[in-house]
Amino acid sequence: GQQVMQIPQYQHVQEGEDFTTYCNSSTTLSNIQWYKQRPGGHPVFLIQLVKSGEVKKQKRLTFQFGEAKKNSSLHITATQTTDVGTYFCAANFGNEKLTFGTGTRLTIIP
Amino acid sequence: DGGITQSPKYLFRKEGQNVTLSCEQNLNHDAMYWYRQDPGQGLRLIYYSQIVNDFQKGDIAEGYSVSREKKESFPLTVTSAQKNPTAFYLCASSNSGVWYGYTFGSGTRLTVV
Repeated sequence: GQQVMQIPQYQHVQEGEDFTTYCNSSTTLSNIQWYKQRPGGHPVFLIQLVKSGEVKKQKRLTFQFGEAKKNSSLHITATQTTDVGTYFCAANFGNEKLTFGTGTRLTIIP
Repeated sequence: DGGITQSPKYLFRKEGQNVTLSCEQNLNHDAMYWYRQDPGQGLRLIYYSQIVNDFQKGDIAEGYSVSREKKESFPLTVTSAQKNPTAFYLCASSNSGVWYGYTFGSGTRLTVV
């Protein structure tokens, strides 16, 4: 079936360090979205990437879509305690559904 | 404010009982979705509906049923046929299907004992 692999599963960083999570697919994606879920909360939409090689920034967050539209990454510069949570990618394989990655749980060491 | 309301937040049921989870949205979104979240497995799609009176099975529809009689409402029934119903259930809606970010409700945590 259509799956998207997300790594790493967990990431512990010191406050101020950078963080990156990756999503990879074996087939070309139509678009990919990123969500953040705080502990005990629900997923919140961050951004959508559609074009090959697309790069979008939101303050300290940088989102990239690969040239082949098979992979994507989320990079956080200089993490803060407010960045704690689980980050999910959600991929569309050209149908009516989004397939979510398993998520990367980010914890911050103050 | 517009949003999605899921109720109740916590739900306990005895094994063998059917239970219905409520999902209501006032965002005027056409598409609605039900996801199940288990630790370490991300979100898995149960059912989705793109228009009133129509819905499709997702990846793990067995043991679940839905209805979409109104645009605002998309209730999910967890039947006794669902082998492992204890989970966190999330409802979402979207203005334009997969080409627009989903808005999620706050979820219902179902525990079957």
